[in-house]
Amino acid sequence: GENVEQHPSTLSVQEGDSAVIKCTYSDSASNYFPWYKQELGKGPQLIIDIRSNVGEKKDQRIAVTLNKTAKHFSLHITETQPEDSAVYFCAASINTGNQFYFGTGTSLTVIP
Amino acid sequence: NAGVTQTPKFQVLKTGQSMTLQCAQDMNHNSMYWYRQDPGMGLRLIYYSASEGTTDKGEVPNGYNVSRLNKREFSLRLESAAPSQTSVYFCASSEALRVTAFGSGTRLTVV
Repeated sequence: GENVEQHPSTLSVQEGDSAVIKCTYSDSASNYFPWYKQELGKGPQLIIDIRSNVGEKKDQRIAVTLNKTAKHFSLHITETQPEDSAVYFCAASINTGNQFYFGTGTSLTVIP
Repeated sequence: NAGVTQTPKFQVLKTGQSMTLQCAQDMNHNSMYWYRQDPGMGLRLIYYSASEGTTDKGEVPNGYNVSRLNKREFSLRLESAAPSQTSVYFCASSEALRVTAFGSGTRLTVV
């Protein structure tokens, strides 16, 4: 099955700085890559996703990039704010199936 | 619009006891999922249901059973709980393979 690795496991940034979280995947058939934000005591929330037919997608301060050749994708958060503090998960799946494989999570702390 | 509703939020079981975790979604999604979340391991798929009347095993199905009661409801049953099933359980739903909605989780402790 698919193996998704996520780095770093913890990340601290100063408010206003950028944060980058990276994931790699093993199955070249994977073609859908969502990112989730999980706040304490809550379920994950989809924040952005990308399909393999595009290399980059942006939504305000959040962007995701995908390198299919290298089999890695990254989440970029610019102008970080304290409310961005949470655990972020990447995931990978094959469009034809229902299996989503998650990374192990990155705990992001934004220091005011 | 409640999204995905899970019950209970917390549960403590003794080894060997059984219980059912309930999940309901009001978004008319076809697919529903049960995940478990353990420290340092992300979320792992237990079972999923691509549509009403169908269920399939995920990555870690052993010790669990599921029922897709109707389009809205998808339950997870532990027939004989074991300490290894101590975890946080999340129900989720999706449309077009885009998992957009998770419940708030059930924190289960098996002693």
